[in-house]
Amino acid sequence: DTAVSQTPKYLVTQMGNDKSIKCEQNLGHDTMYWYKQDSKKFLKIMFSYNNKELIINETVPNRFSPKSPDKAHLNLHINSLELGDSAVYFCASSQVGYSGANVLTFGAGSRLTVL
Amino acid sequence: GQNIDQPTEMTATEGAIVQINCTYQTSGFNGLFWYQQHAGEAPTFLSYNVLDGLEEKGRFSSFLSRSKGYSYLLLKELQMKDSASYLCASMDSNYQLIWGAGTKLIIKP
Repeated sequence: DTAVSQTPKYLVTQMGNDKSIKCEQNLGHDTMYWYKQDSKKFLKIMFSYNNKELIINETVPNRFSPKSPDKAHLNLHINSLELGDSAVYFCASSQVGYSGANVLTFGAGSRLTVL
Repeated sequence: GQNIDQPTEMTATEGAIVQINCTYQTSGFNGLFWYQQHAGEAPTFLSYNVLDGLEEKGRFSSFLSRSKGYSYLLLKELQMKDSASYLCASMDSNYQLIWGAGTKLIIKP
C-alpha cells in the first residue's frame, strides 16, 4: 500500500485555468505538507497542517488554497494558473520518530506544466 | 538569512567512496537531515543528526559539527543505483526544514 499518494501525477493545463491536486496518507501521521520543487530543484515549503489545522503558510500567492478535510488528506487548489506555477508539487506527511527526528515521507510528486 | 550550501554535482567511480559536504546557517538548529532523490522520484529519508559526531548506517554515514555549521554524507562501496541527488536540510528553531538545492551524484563504472 502506498504510504503517501497524490493525484494526478502529471497535469498539463492552460494559463488561467483552475486545477486541484489531491493527497492522502495512510501512515496515521498528524502533520501534512505541500512543497514546491522548481527547475533548480529547491524544495520550498508552501503549507503545513497539523490535525487539520494550518500551522505553516509561507509567502505563497493566495491563488493557492489548501484544504484538509481530515488529518489523512490535504488537497491543493490553484486558481488562475500562471506560467511560473510550473513545477513538481510534493505532498508529505510526518511524525516525530524515536530519535526525535521529524522525518518526512513524501508522495511521488505531481508535475504541473502550465502552457 | 537562512542558507544551505552543497556542491551542485559530483562524480565518483563504482566501488569507491564519496563525501558530500553541506554547510548551513539557520535561525536556531534542531537537527540536520539527508534525503536521497532519484530522478523523477520523491525524496526519501537517509539520516538525521542532532548531536556532533558520526552516525553510521550500512554503507552510508552522516557527520555533524554544530560549532562549524557543517555536515557531510559519506557513501562507501558505491553502486550504480546510488546515482541520485542528495538533499541536505537543516531544521530551524521553528522546526521548519530549510533545504539545499541538492548534490547530483553521478556514478561511473
